[in-house]
Amino acid sequence: GAVVSQHPSWVICKSGTSVKIECRSLDFQATTMFWYRQFPKQSLMLMATSNEGSKATYEQGVEKDKFLINHASLTLSTLTVTSAHPEDSSFYICSAVGTGGGYGYTFGSGTRLTVV
Amino acid sequence: GQQLNQSPQSMFIQEGEDVSMNCTSSSIFNTWLWYKQDPGEGPVLLIALYKAGELTSNGRLTAQFGITRKDSFLNISASIPSDVGIYFCAGQAIQGAQKLVFGQGTRLTINP
Repeated sequence: GAVVSQHPSWVICKSGTSVKIECRSLDFQATTMFWYRQFPKQSLMLMATSNEGSKATYEQGVEKDKFLINHASLTLSTLTVTSAHPEDSSFYICSAVGTGGGYGYTFGSGTRLTVV
Repeated sequence: GQQLNQSPQSMFIQEGEDVSMNCTSSSIFNTWLWYKQDPGEGPVLLIALYKAGELTSNGRLTAQFGITRKDSFLNISASIPSDVGIYFCAGQAIQGAQKLVFGQGTRLTINP
């Protein structure tokens, strides 16, 4: 089945530094990837839609300069949290949609970011 | 914006009992998905529904796409301890991008 690998699974960083999270589709090509943020005991909140070879589309209220998204290939999208602050601490999850259509929406295993 | 209302928010049941949860929307969706999320993990797809009225099973799980396209339910029969987790419904609207709208989640706790 479709597998999405997300790395790292957890990261601790100091305030002011930047952190990059990778999302890879291992056995299929993904024209579209999505990045979500999830706070404890809450649902997934869509941050942005990432399309291969084009600029990401950000949801209202999400700072595009703070959360940089790059989707350079059909199997890799990255989310960079720039100048991280403690309030950026959260669980970040990506999902990918295959080139064949919207079937599956496979999710990565998530990245727990803690900013100290 | 589009929202999904998922209920109940939490359930405390005895092992072996059946479980039912549902999602409703004020707008039409053309795809309904049900996911389970374990602590510290990403959601895992349980069942996908693509046509109004569709009833689909996956082992002890059964889900249906409402005929009005505005609701869906998920049933779990004969619950077991590994069913513990958070269940999310998600929908894809007919018009617009491929992005999914998620329900608030149902936290399932099972007493052995």
